Amino acid sequence: QSALTQPPSASGSPGQSVTISCTGTSSDVGGYNYVSWYQQHPGKAPKLMIYEVNKRPSGVPDRFSGSKSGNTASLTVSGLQVEDEADYYCSSYTGSKNWVFGGGTKVTVL
Amino acid sequence: EVQLLESGGGLVQSGGSLRLSCDASGFTFGNYWMHWVRQAPGGGVVWVSRMSSDGRTINYADSVKGRFTMSRDNARNTLNLQMNSLGAEDTAVYYCARGPRSDSGNYFVGDYWGQGTLVIVSS
Repeated sequence: QSALTQPPSASGSPGQSVTISCTGTSSDVGGYNYVSWYQQHPGKAPKLMIYEVNKRPSGVPDRFSGSKSGNTASLTVSGLQVEDEADYYCSSYTGSKNWVFGGGTKVTVL
Repeated sequence: EVQLLESGGGLVQSGGSLRLSCDASGFTFGNYWMHWVRQAPGGGVVWVSRMSSDGRTINYADSVKGRFTMSRDNARNTLNLQMNSLGAEDTAVYYCARGPRSDSGNYFVGDYWGQGTLVIVSS
């Protein structure tokens, strides 16, 4: 199972929006509405930010939103804040009853 | 408060074995799917395995299939990962993560994660 494709980096100024893409295949991202997004700060465990494409766990700010079109899912962070600077990983359920993660995107707040 | 505490990591020689454990508290462990996920130093997050709440369904990444065995003891609120035939490519921080409740119909890897335990495989 190949990793999902994410851009290695993205950036934005405070208050701006940044969108991260996550591209898979019809066997994972395109085949299921089971894409989730994780935020990871250095030295910390990942934190669930979005699940099932666009659902937010309780406590996650509504500045974080998810969407999907075909084989590509996206995470948008609106109103960027300094604390949003982190690595972000997408994940998808696959037809092999496995899970696959993306390679990660480092978001920098300029 | 949900807590997951991994243990059992350490330095092991190539070809050796190691058994990781994850002690869960703060929730009804036997009602949840559980996952193992790993992250090589400086690398990305990689899914390793998952197990259903009753232990009857287990799935593994191709990279560990046949070498790793996941198990759980719902009476002791403990998750385990037996790792055999270890190679340098298995060097990573290993996280246990709580999946969805078995009756929720939700799909994700982990809404709570442990702090991880480091496994180093030396040649």
